[in-house]
Amino acid sequence: GAGVSQSPSNKVTEKGKDVELRCDPISGHTALYWYRQRLGQGLEFLIYFQGNSAPDKSGLPSDRFSAERTGESVSTLTIQRTQQEDSAVYLCASSITWDQPQHFGDGTRLSIL
Amino acid sequence: RKEVEQDPGPFNVPEGATVAFNCTYSNSASQSFFWYRQDCRKEPKLLMSVYSSGNEDGRFTAQLNRASQYISLLIRDSKLSDSATYLCVVNGAEGNYKLTFGKGTLLTVNP
Repeated sequence: GAGVSQSPSNKVTEKGKDVELRCDPISGHTALYWYRQRLGQGLEFLIYFQGNSAPDKSGLPSDRFSAERTGESVSTLTIQRTQQEDSAVYLCASSITWDQPQHFGDGTRLSIL
Repeated sequence: RKEVEQDPGPFNVPEGATVAFNCTYSNSASQSFFWYRQDCRKEPKLLMSVYSSGNEDGRFTAQLNRASQYISLLIRDSKLSDSATYLCVVNGAEGNYKLTFGKGTLLTVNP
């Protein structure tokens, strides 16, 4: 069955450019999460969407990071004026509700030159 | 105490061995507990949820001790394919959707 789909799989860009990452959650999952995982590190929570409620953006590391979600569908994570420390794998996950297990996409591997 | 703390590892065991992973969490109001596995350069995948009564799935057994704020995962008769990083994952109090991930414990099963 269709799982969480993320695109692109890999993104290499120059410092200072903007990037947009996309996530398609599992159909019917109301909750959607973005995480960041730096090489050799654990997962770092970025943002959470639940239905039409206001998102929890408390994990976003700076105002260069923003995310949108339309209803219970696709979400995009945008990083403006990228910095080398933004290099990481960005993982999207979705779950039926907040207390159910999260299912992850394959991630987008972002490299900032 | 860290929010979620795991054995630092790594663990290297021969095929067929039994291996145990331990995890402690700091928030006594936490409601949901999971074990995920993450293969090298792959996304985390749910291994099993952890229930108060303990639960078993084939060779895998998970236990939860709320009083001690302790979670465990036991793998019996380990296989080469069990080699991965095992992540202990906890969410907060009711309505707290943020999952906190432990740093993980790397397991290598050797032939």
